[in-house]
Amino acid sequence: TQLLEQSPQFLSIQEGENLTVYCNSSSVFSSLQWYRQEPGEGPVLLVTVVTGGEVKKLKRLTFQFGDARKDSSLHITAAQPGDTGLYLCAGGTNFGNEKLTFGTGTRLTIIP
Amino acid sequence: DVKVTQSSRYLVKRTGEKVFLECVQDMDHENMFWYRQDPGLGLRLIYFSYDVKMKEKGDIPEGYSVSREKKERFSLILESASTNQTSMYLCASSFRVQRGTDTQYFGPGTRLTVL
Repeated sequence: TQLLEQSPQFLSIQEGENLTVYCNSSSVFSSLQWYRQEPGEGPVLLVTVVTGGEVKKLKRLTFQFGDARKDSSLHITAAQPGDTGLYLCAGGTNFGNEKLTFGTGTRLTIIP
Repeated sequence: DVKVTQSSRYLVKRTGEKVFLECVQDMDHENMFWYRQDPGLGLRLIYFSYDVKMKEKGDIPEGYSVSREKKERFSLILESASTNQTSMYLCASSFRVQRGTDTQYFGPGTRLTVL
């Protein structure tokens, strides 16, 4: 079974600070997705990265896929209260099915 | 907009009861999934289906079964609910792509409590 460990599990920081969330595995994935889940809702896709070393930016959010495609990071610059939520990474494989392996999650709270 | 709906937001059942969780999607997606979400464990796949009447076990299928009689509807069944099945249940759907990983669209979840 492939596992994705996220760190930290909980993070509480002041508005305006920067932060990085990590997603690590011993397995190789063909793609890596990041989802954000707000209270009372299901997860919503933020980004998909598919190439080792790939970097994608979404406004203040920067996503990176590790060179070996075993890990990923999410960096948020100048965090805002609207960034509060549960962040989940999810690894995909290219073996003819569309199952995802989800990470353990990082619960982020931005304090105004 | 893609819409995935789940029949209940909150459900309370007694140990031993048979429980049905329903999920409907309106985007003609081939794939549908059932996950359970527990703190610190992320989302764990229970079952998924890539076509009508087709199903495959996920990582934690024990104690669960599923039914997909129509493309838009995927049901999760707890034959005899137990307290360790108290959890948040999330349904998702996606297109079947030739290569790579497509976006999964999630419902709002059903919080099930088994007493």
